[in-house]
Amino acid sequence: DQQVKQNSPSLSVQEGRISILNCDYTNSMFDYFLWYKKYPAEGPTFLISISSIKDKNEDGRFTVFLNKSAKHLSLHIVPSQPGDSAVYFCAATLTGNQFYFGTGTSLTVIP
Amino acid sequence: DTGVSQNPRHKITKRGQNVTFRCDPISEHNRLYWYRQTLGQGPEFLTYFQNEAQLEKSRLLSDRFSAERPKGSFSTLEIQRTEQGDSAMYLCASSLLGDEGRTYNEQFFGPGTRLTVL
Repeated sequence: DQQVKQNSPSLSVQEGRISILNCDYTNSMFDYFLWYKKYPAEGPTFLISISSIKDKNEDGRFTVFLNKSAKHLSLHIVPSQPGDSAVYFCAATLTGNQFYFGTGTSLTVIP
Repeated sequence: DTGVSQNPRHKITKRGQNVTFRCDPISEHNRLYWYRQTLGQGPEFLTYFQNEAQLEKSRLLSDRFSAERPKGSFSTLEIQRTEQGDSAMYLCASSLLGDEGRTYNEQFFGPGTRLTVL
């Protein structure tokens, strides 16, 4: 039972443009959401997070939006850079004990 | 290097053998998580520790899997009588539980141990 879903396995974007990665979840009780970036042969690296009491969190080029009514969150990267090419995972948690990850979206930023 | 380390990085074994993996978390982190990741999937929660106590274990974790964190520092994950379906990347992550008793802090992941069962 996949509680966190990333329906786009891959995304290609031109350098300098906006990248939008999407994530849907089914459990309305989740109270915290995170995005991780993963390069080959490395573990995931934390990128940005958002509490369920907020609808937006911004950190430099990265912004996460949360739409609780739609059970949907998205990660915006502006402007996209070639170094952003990686697999991006969204994750959700309730109480911080167990984290549920999506299947990932592979982002390719074309120079 | 003060990050999370895992050993070995790669393990090839024959079906039926036992394997053990080690994870050394960031020293001040009191929470430690084990995940399994297969190709095309995200990390799948296996179990987690708060200090030396194992507080939660996934229902997907069979009895062949056991994890320990004896002194609240490093952790080991053992798989007994390995099966080909156990082939995966095993990830360890650590985090710090805040004073307020809740942690939504980021988890720091290690590089993983890739297990291949022949």
